[in-house]
Amino acid sequence: GENVEQHPSTLSVQEGDSAVIKCTYSDSASNYFPWYKQELGKRPQLIIDIRSNVGEKKDQRIAVTLNKTAKHFSLHITETQPEDSAVYFCAASMYDMRFGAGTRLTVKP
Amino acid sequence: GAVVSQHPSWVICKSGTSVKIECRSLDFQATTMFWYRQFPKQSLMLMATSNEGSKATYEQGVEKDKFLINHASLTLSTLTVTSAHPEDSSFYICSAPGAGTTYEQYFGPGTRLTVT
Repeated sequence: GENVEQHPSTLSVQEGDSAVIKCTYSDSASNYFPWYKQELGKRPQLIIDIRSNVGEKKDQRIAVTLNKTAKHFSLHITETQPEDSAVYFCAASMYDMRFGAGTRLTVKP
Repeated sequence: GAVVSQHPSWVICKSGTSVKIECRSLDFQATTMFWYRQFPKQSLMLMATSNEGSKATYEQGVEKDKFLINHASLTLSTLTVTSAHPEDSSFYICSAPGAGTTYEQYFGPGTRLTVT
């Protein structure tokens, strides 16, 4: 089955700096790669996603890149703000969805 | 559109009792729903795939006789934790793919189960 690895587990940046979170997946059949932000006790909130026929997608300060050959994808957050502090999960899916272990991002003012 | 609800939002039960969690798609039909479990400070782990009108598919290591899943209609899936024990205490979340897509999943708000 699909196995998703996510790094780093914790990330601390200064406000205004960029943050990058990386994930790898094992199943080449996976074709959908979402990123979620989750607050404690809440459901995951989709922040950006990418399908396997696209290499890059951007939405304001957030971008995702996908390298299908290497089976890895990354989340890039630019101009980070304190409110970006949260736990972020990557996931890979062809039908059912498998999640990475999560990254706790802290943006220091 | 594509709203998924769960009930209850939290529940406390005594060890040895059973508890049922409902997952509903409010404005779309879901022939498939997924059930996840999330322990504190951990990721979401897929437990099972719930299929309307047929048996659920369980992930390796998940006891199908302990976590009973019923998907009796196109808008409702239920997860029953039987003979609950303290180690079953967790955050249970369901999801469903939106109508017309097999990509984006819509998540319920989750159910916090505490077994005393």
